[in-house]
Amino acid sequence: NAGVTQTPKFQVLKTGQSMTLQCAQDMNHNSMYWYRQDPGMGLRLIYYSASEGTTDKGEVPNGYNVSRLNKREFSLRLESAAPSQTSVYFCASSEELAQFFGPGTRLTVL
Amino acid sequence: GDSVTQMEGPVTLSEEAFLTINCTYTATGYPSLFWYVQYPGEGLQLLLKATKADDKGSNKGFEATYRKETTSFHLEKGSVQVSDSAVYFCALVDQGAQKLVFGQGTRLTINP
Repeated sequence: NAGVTQTPKFQVLKTGQSMTLQCAQDMNHNSMYWYRQDPGMGLRLIYYSASEGTTDKGEVPNGYNVSRLNKREFSLRLESAAPSQTSVYFCASSEELAQFFGPGTRLTVL
Repeated sequence: GDSVTQMEGPVTLSEEAFLTINCTYTATGYPSLFWYVQYPGEGLQLLLKATKADDKGSNKGFEATYRKETTSFHLEKGSVQVSDSAVYFCALVDQGAQKLVFGQGTRLTINP
């Protein structure tokens, strides 16, 4: 039982490049989330998916897109990366109230 | 909107000291409250939770009581250890919602 897994762990991009962050959970949870963590700002919600086939914007969705591929997988895409998107990205899943987090992806955009 | 305010860090204590990290919240409904812990280089882990007023959440020697009258959920531990060094986040989920609202985090360092 791996919980929530994320790939890659680290990534460096140049401005304008695109990439997809992958997330998968094996807990059969309906809800999944993408957050970004920046120093002094806690975690901010980018997008979430309450169930397979649905996605909704969070607090900071601009510059990102998501896909809920199936119940297990929820990917985050940066179409044209910007330095302001340098951050640590966390995926989470939940059933009922508590959320379970992956280990994070540290992204640097030059 | 809903919000969570935590005491500013960093907090530095000696081993075996008493710990309190303050957390207050603003919510329109009747939220559930959480404390998460983040160890260096890792994701967040749920530490404890409380779902209604006067509930006490506890885990690993940490405790927090849901105080509706003061809209608070302060984290306490009687005797901290070096291994408790981490960043602690207070969070809420409002009734009927699915989105966590986080405080800004409090960095705790315990010196031997």
